[in-house]
Amino acid sequence: SAVISQKPSRDICQRGTSLTIQCQVDSQVTMMFWYRQQPGQSLTLIATANQGSEATYESGFVIDKFPISRPNLTFSTLTVSNMSPEDSSIYLCSVEVSVGEQYFGPGTRLTVT
Amino acid sequence: AQSVTQPDIHITVSEGASLELRCNYSYGATPYLFWYVQSPGQGLQLLLKYFSGDTLVQGIKGFEAEFKRSQSSFNLRKPSVHWSDAAEYFCAVGGGGADGLTFGKGTHLIIQP
Repeated sequence: SAVISQKPSRDICQRGTSLTIQCQVDSQVTMMFWYRQQPGQSLTLIATANQGSEATYESGFVIDKFPISRPNLTFSTLTVSNMSPEDSSIYLCSVEVSVGEQYFGPGTRLTVT
Repeated sequence: AQSVTQPDIHITVSEGASLELRCNYSYGATPYLFWYVQSPGQGLQLLLKYFSGDTLVQGIKGFEAEFKRSQSSFNLRKPSVHWSDAAEYFCAVGGGGADGLTFGKGTHLIIQP
């Protein structure tokens, strides 16, 4: 397994602003992922972040709205830009520990007012 | 496109009774299959996984799941539930590597005393 931390754990932000979420893992991993969990809903993959290359975004998610950085093998950030109330969600990062097996961070609960 | 169906949104079980949560998937190749549990205010915890081999897999907390290729199913079972098992359960499918996970909508498990 892996120990994954996220900062902040929660935040309340005003519409039109941006928030950067950090994800730190205690071991080097190749693949990191970002997911969104809207209130009362399941998880949806936002993008895959492979160190040394551009993030790959899923349909419905764009880089201008959700820019991602992956500067090294233990860290990644997700920015939620120009926020609206519809962006209120839990954002989770995950890492692939072995092929196909993902472990998740505790999540960042974002409320946009 | 891959998909996961969890047909039961809510299930209520008496403490000590047996449990089966249903999961059906659609995937173009041999899938990696997972069950995760999310307790209130908690992150996602991996219960068990299936990659290949024995179709009956054992997980943590006394859970097991059976992969049935002919039925495209991966149902989760527990012989005797405990009050602490009350949570949201998610079935997920993926292909490994850069392939993120596709989650079902989840099943909310309620334990009656």
